Amino acid sequence: GAGVSQSPSNKVTEKGKDVELRCDPISGHTALYWYRQSLGQGLEFLIYFQGNSAPDKSGLPSDRFSAERTGGSVSTLTIQRTQQEDSAVYLCASSSNRGLGETQYFGPGTRLLVL
Amino acid sequence: AQTVTQSQPEMSVQEAETVTLSCTYDTSESNYYLFWYKQPPSRQMILVIRQEAYKQQNATENRFSVNFQKAAKSFSLKISDSQLGDTAMYFCAFGQSSGSRLTFGEGTQLTVNP
Repeated sequence: GAGVSQSPSNKVTEKGKDVELRCDPISGHTALYWYRQSLGQGLEFLIYFQGNSAPDKSGLPSDRFSAERTGGSVSTLTIQRTQQEDSAVYLCASSSNRGLGETQYFGPGTRLLVL
Repeated sequence: AQTVTQSQPEMSVQEAETVTLSCTYDTSESNYYLFWYKQPPSRQMILVIRQEAYKQQNATENRFSVNFQKAAKSFSLKISDSQLGDTAMYFCAFGQSSGSRLTFGEGTQLTVNP
């Protein structure tokens, strides 16, 4: 079946603009995660969804970052008033249940560049 | 909080040879999961292998195997018969049994030379 998909693949924006990043998880996966990968770094957790609710959003770096998930499927990560330090690859992953030790399957990521 | 450390930023190996990537972690949990992911230049994170902490037997997946030392909190990845397609960044990751997020190390860039 289809894997996790993300759009856009690449996004260039100007400082101060808002951006929306989209994630389509694997069909039937109830758990969805967002991570951020800065240049040459490991992955930093941002937020976790179980269904449409977010029991763990402790990784969101500031109130400029928000995310939602609708219909237990698609998720959107929104960054308001983008800053240059927001430049990174944003990765989405999904897993099949509550995420208790389940393998997370990743999408190809969105590379965001803030000028 | 859990931490994951990969002490080898870069490694190289000749094609067909064996290489071992190191990973150590710190946790107070007794039940958890460990993963190795591979990230080629395409950016796609691909699961290589996973290990449940309650299992004593080391996981294997074709040419990939792990050496899991729970007491030492060590989780190394061995790649046998290295292939050019193994060239990638390799990340070690820790997952709690009761949690959700994965905690990643900073990665090891592996280059397989012809």
